[in-house]
Amino acid sequence: GAGVSQSPSNKVTEKGKDVELRCDPISGHTALYWYRQSLGQGLEFLIYFQGNSAPDKSGLPSDRFSAERTGGSVSTLTIQRTQQEDSAVYLCASRQTPGLAGGPNTGELFFGEGSRLTVL
Amino acid sequence: KNQVEQSPQSLIILEGKNCTLQCNYTVSPFSNLRWYKQDTGRGPVSLTIMTFSENTKSNGRYTATLDADTKQSSLHITASQLSDSASYICVVSATGGGADGLTFGKGTHLIIQP
Repeated sequence: GAGVSQSPSNKVTEKGKDVELRCDPISGHTALYWYRQSLGQGLEFLIYFQGNSAPDKSGLPSDRFSAERTGGSVSTLTIQRTQQEDSAVYLCASRQTPGLAGGPNTGELFFGEGSRLTVL
Repeated sequence: KNQVEQSPQSLIILEGKNCTLQCNYTVSPFSNLRWYKQDTGRGPVSLTIMTFSENTKSNGRYTATLDADTKQSSLHITASQLSDSASYICVVSATGGGADGLTFGKGTHLIIQP
């Protein structure tokens, strides 16, 4: 597609259930990012993929959160045993590999519209 | 630790007025700085990028400045319109580092009143 696609756009679930959020990045973008945004707050980094590997997963808030990326394309963020504090908008972004390590890093992030998660 | 601080946290101005948003950073080694606009319920969209050698860059009614010595950037909006109501996020890139070198500010929430 022309842009980053996320699904579902809205998800309401009961506390304790598992949820899966999907991100389909722009074709050819090797870098993929997941962020979380609570109401009225800034973006909180969760995890970053380069290809299928995750060099930085330092932002995942607990072991209930996991993510994978297959074929260097689609990524899935899974939240197990959801809690009310997990309620937020989950944003995915992708970009072309900015450049070699130590070199210029100018790549623009292209964001999806987000998946709004509400845990009752 | 790399940090990006934005001010003000929120701002309300009348339609047609100008405003300036601030971004101070302690990111090293600096690569570039981007301003993103996030409309309510949407994902952020890039407005402009500033590299080390650039002092000023315009995109329509938006003008960004960068002072690499004081590590400050500003985003000036001229003749504001209702559609400018949004959050404006400053993102600074460093070569290397976590999350592919990106550090986000918390954003300035701008409201334009008719």
